[in-house]
Amino acid sequence: EDQVTQSPEALRLQEGESSSLNCSYTVSGLRGLFWYRQDPGKGPEFLFTLYSAGEEKEKERLKATLTKKESFLHITAPKPEDSATYLCAVFGNTGKLIFGQGTTLQVKP
Amino acid sequence: GAVVSQHPSRVICKSGTSVKIECRSLDFQATTMFWYRQFPKQSLMLMATSNEGSKATYEQGVEKDKFLINHASLTLSTLTVTSAHPEDSSFYICSARLGRGLTEAFFGQGTRLTVV
Repeated sequence: EDQVTQSPEALRLQEGESSSLNCSYTVSGLRGLFWYRQDPGKGPEFLFTLYSAGEEKEKERLKATLTKKESFLHITAPKPEDSATYLCAVFGNTGKLIFGQGTTLQVKP
Repeated sequence: GAVVSQHPSRVICKSGTSVKIECRSLDFQATTMFWYRQFPKQSLMLMATSNEGSKATYEQGVEKDKFLINHASLTLSTLTVTSAHPEDSSFYICSARLGRGLTEAFFGQGTRLTVV
């Protein structure tokens, strides 16, 4: 059974304090790993897709990396507007997008 | 990214009535759409997968007769919550993929359903 576990559940940072979010996964035939951002009361907003181990992608202060067992979302010098819940999801041979529980990030000014 | 529009964003209904939620892909044709349910502070739980022109595939534990899904065209899927009860109150989100291969899934804005 495909499974995604994210840690930590919640993370509080000061503005400018860099950190990383973890996404550990087990999946039958990984076809893609996705990162989304979700603001309260809204649908997830697509951030990145990673397809194979060793791949990295960047967007502004965010950088996503992938290994065979986990993915990291690195946040460099975060700002308060980066506060949100970050969701990791895997897409495997089942054809379903399976989500982790999410990490709720709060960045204080 | 591609745009998925979900309507309504909020709805309040009385117990026993039915509510329809629409999900439209605005700038692409979505052969597959997904419906998720999200409880407060929890992740997205897949309810069903909807393919254009065929019956939806429901996840285990999801009642087909309560959550009716119709994917009538390549740009529209609907979820109807029939005979709604307070326990059906939740945040419902649809998602659409660009094609049958490995592509990103884009999400609607979500619908907050409250059954009173």
